[in-house]
Amino acid sequence: GNSVTQMEGPVTLSEEAFLTINCTYTATGYPSLFWYVQYPGEGLQLLLKATKADDKGSNKGFEATYRKETTSFHLEKGSVQVSDSAVYFCALKSGNEKLTFGTGTRLTIIP
Amino acid sequence: DAGVIQSPRHEVTEMGQEVTLRCKPISGHDYLFWYRQTMMRGLELLIYFNNNVPIDDSGMPEDRFSAKMPNASFSTLKIQPSEPRDSAVYFCASSFLSRVEAFFGQGTRLTVV
Repeated sequence: GNSVTQMEGPVTLSEEAFLTINCTYTATGYPSLFWYVQYPGEGLQLLLKATKADDKGSNKGFEATYRKETTSFHLEKGSVQVSDSAVYFCALKSGNEKLTFGTGTRLTIIP
Repeated sequence: DAGVIQSPRHEVTEMGQEVTLRCKPISGHDYLFWYRQTMMRGLELLIYFNNNVPIDDSGMPEDRFSAKMPNASFSTLKIQPSEPRDSAVYFCASSFLSRVEAFFGQGTRLTVV
């Protein structure tokens, strides 16, 4: 079956540091890949997505590249801000209609 | 569009009481999902519908949980009777097949005391 494994948290960084949150997946077929973000007290919001191999999703300074050869979709940002503090979920959708989520990574940015 | 709308935002109830959570999906979306989020288990898919028909309810934890979608613009998740271990944040999400991402509501924080 489909599964997503993402970096265990929590992750704490200083403002302006470089961020990487690792995500690898197992899926049948050719999945679409997503990163969702959940700010405190809110629902999940789509941050970025990629629908085929070598696609790069980007939004709000975050990027992730769909790597079929390594079955990965790592999230990166060059310079994080305090406002990026949130929980980040990697997810995939393949064949069937439901999203498969990772366990989430809590990110805290210290001023 | 207003997005996915859930009500209530917060619910506190006593053990044994019936609880009904409500969701209005984004207009035109043909898939609706109910998720539960807890610290221990993370995000769990409970059930999802396509064109108002339940497709997969294998994530529903017990018979105490039931979900309905009487029309394309409304769904309910009912817990009867409620128990303290049902305390969680319940999210509703909707999507349109031709677009791959799902859009989430703000969630209902349920506390059963």
